[in-house]
Amino acid sequence: DTAVSQTPKYLVTQMGNDKSIKCEQNLGHDTMYWYKQDSKKFLKIMFSYNNKELIINETVPNRFSPKSPDKAHLNLHINSLELGDSAVYFCASSPNDRGAYEQYFGPGTRLTVT
Amino acid sequence: AQSVTQPDIHITVSEGASLELRCNYSYGATPYLFWYVQSPGQGLQLLLKYFSGDTLVQGIKGFEAEFKRSQSSFNLRKPSVHWSDAAEYFCAVGAPNTDKLIFGTGTRLQVFP
Repeated sequence: DTAVSQTPKYLVTQMGNDKSIKCEQNLGHDTMYWYKQDSKKFLKIMFSYNNKELIINETVPNRFSPKSPDKAHLNLHINSLELGDSAVYFCASSPNDRGAYEQYFGPGTRLTVT
Repeated sequence: AQSVTQPDIHITVSEGASLELRCNYSYGATPYLFWYVQSPGQGLQLLLKYFSGDTLVQGIKGFEAEFKRSQSSFNLRKPSVHWSDAAEYFCAVGAPNTDKLIFGTGTRLQVFP
């Protein structure tokens, strides 16, 4: 069984479009995260939610809006896509509200904006 | 503020050789320390973690890491590398009772037959 899953795996779209990436975890974890990995493989946290409540909101353009309908899901919606949004986006989850403990990652969504 | 440095961007070893990947951290107290591996096109998988206690920790896939407070290091080792170990390796640090991990820039491991 997949622990943390993301859809889609690949997403190619044009500048200005709006797109969403979905994430689900079946581990029963309370906390979920979105990370962005750039072309140099650098991983940076974007958001975290604990039991549907926003905990971390790093300096991310407000075109990015996370939504957590329940504690097993954390979706990422991106408005007005720009070329610089091209990256791999990873969802992760953690068994408690202290992310400094271990995190479990999804397979990633490779977003390409043309 | 916490930070983590992986000085080696790219390492190449022969299959069967030993491996050591370096990681240095910056934090005022003892942090939580992790090593993750990312195979091509895959997500990150936790190899091992250190919270406290024995400074030599064992992980999956035959990896181990040693926490050295005096050197602020948490180097990853494997005595004999397999071709399937070729991947990107990330060291990460977390401060106890905080909400996030800080990742290093990664070390790409290439394994030659």
